[in-house]
Amino acid sequence: SSELTQDPAVSVALGQTVTITCQGDSLRSYFPSWYQQKPGQAPVLVIFGGNNRPAGIPDRFSDSNSGDTASLTITGAQAEDEAVYYCNSRDSTYYHVVFGGGTKLTVL
Amino acid sequence: EMQLLESGGGLVQPGGSLRLSCAASGSTFSSYAMAWVRQAPGKGLEWVSGIRAGGGSTYYADSVKGRFTISRDNSKDTLYLQMSSLRAEDTAVYYCAQGDAIFDIWGQGTVVTVSS
Repeated sequence: SSELTQDPAVSVALGQTVTITCQGDSLRSYFPSWYQQKPGQAPVLVIFGGNNRPAGIPDRFSDSNSGDTASLTITGAQAEDEAVYYCNSRDSTYYHVVFGGGTKLTVL
Repeated sequence: EMQLLESGGGLVQPGGSLRLSCAASGSTFSSYAMAWVRQAPGKGLEWVSGIRAGGGSTYYADSVKGRFTISRDNSKDTLYLQMSSLRAEDTAVYYCAQGDAIFDIWGQGTVVTVSS
C-alpha cells in the first residue's frame, strides 16, 4: 500500500503564512484531503478535491498539488489554527485509504 | 447535515470481541459510503474499513483484515464494526466518518481498550 509523509512539526508567527506538505506516490493520481484536529476533538475536513473548502472553513486555507507533493497553505495564520493537520488520499488500490502521519502546527 | 454518534467501546481482554455502532441522523444515511477510522493514544489517524452506500462492497486495512467486519443497516441508519481477535495494538479511539476517501462528517469517537 501507499504511504503519505508529513513533517512532524511546523511553527508560524501569528498573522504570517505557513505551508504544510504531504508527499506520496498516490498523490500523482488522487487529490488529497486535509483535516484539522485539535486536542480531544474529532478531525475536521478543511480542504478536499483540489482546493475546495467545506462550508464554514475560512478562505485563508488553500492547497496546491505538484507531482507527488501536496501543500496546505494557511495565509495569515490565527491562534485558533494551532492544531495537528493530516492529509489523506486513496492508495494505489483505489479502494483503500491512507493518512499521513500528521503535522503539529504551532502558532507563535 | 448528517450527525454521527458512536457507541459500544470499552475495555476488552486480548483475543476478545466487541461490536461498535454508529447511529446517523439528519441526512439520508443510505446515500453515503461510510468508514471507520481509528487513532491510537498519542498517534495519528489510521483508516480501518470502508463500506459502499448499499453495503455490497467492503474494504479493510491489512492490519484488521480477517478480524474486523464492517456492515450497515440502512433501515436503522446505523453503521457497525464487529471486532474479534482483538490485540493490544487495536487500542484506540474509533471514529465513524461519512465518505469513502473524503471524510466530511465525523462522529465524536468511542474508546476501545484492549488489555488484560
